Amino acid sequence: AQSVTQLDSHVSVSEGTPVLLRCNYSSSYSPSLFWYVQHPNKGLQLLLKYTSAATLVKGINGFEAEFKKSETSFHLTKPSAHMSDAAEYFCVVTSAAGGTSYGKLTFGQGTILTVHP
Amino acid sequence: NAGVMQNPRHLVRRRGQEARLRCSPMKGHSHVYWYRQLPEEGLKFMVYLQKENIIDESGMPKERFSAEFPKEGPSILRIQQVVRGDSAAYFCASSPGFSLGEQFFGPGTRLTVL
Repeated sequence: AQSVTQLDSHVSVSEGTPVLLRCNYSSSYSPSLFWYVQHPNKGLQLLLKYTSAATLVKGINGFEAEFKKSETSFHLTKPSAHMSDAAEYFCVVTSAAGGTSYGKLTFGQGTILTVHP
Repeated sequence: NAGVMQNPRHLVRRRGQEARLRCSPMKGHSHVYWYRQLPEEGLKFMVYLQKENIIDESGMPKERFSAEFPKEGPSILRIQQVVRGDSAAYFCASSPGFSLGEQFFGPGTRLTVL
């Protein structure tokens, strides 16, 4: 079984300040973890992914995330927010459980990021 | 290389009608996934298909919903006798095979049931 908890439903920051979106996961097997972004009325775009290589993962648009097994966390960060970062962000897990878990992504509830000028 | 394509982008149906949602995966991708996003919620897995095979349908409602991915043509998600609670955004994703890597998402079909 696998699950994802995004700890904040809304995060509000000022432009130029750091961004932190928190995610905790649960998985019976070695997980693969992703962050996707969804702009209003658009599809989902992959920001970054962790698949058991380096624990610090760099993604597009200056985002990065660190896989911490001891804390079962995969928080998303960015040093300096930009207005165009305003969107909804989803933390996602899948795992190599075999059987029916294979290929099925489990999404968190989403975090809406607001960026103020 | 075109991405995942879904049509229609918006679909309006009256209660009791049928809804057919289409998904064409990326070129070279043989695996398709359908997800549903209800208002104010994250995406929920519905079904995972290979060409002519359903791999995992554990997220599909037991009644009125069906999915197929024929040898030729797009994958179809079919909802019979729609109800207001079916109003949601339905997203399709594709991947080249069994993979723990990225799934590529289409723009979604927004279904509104009047």
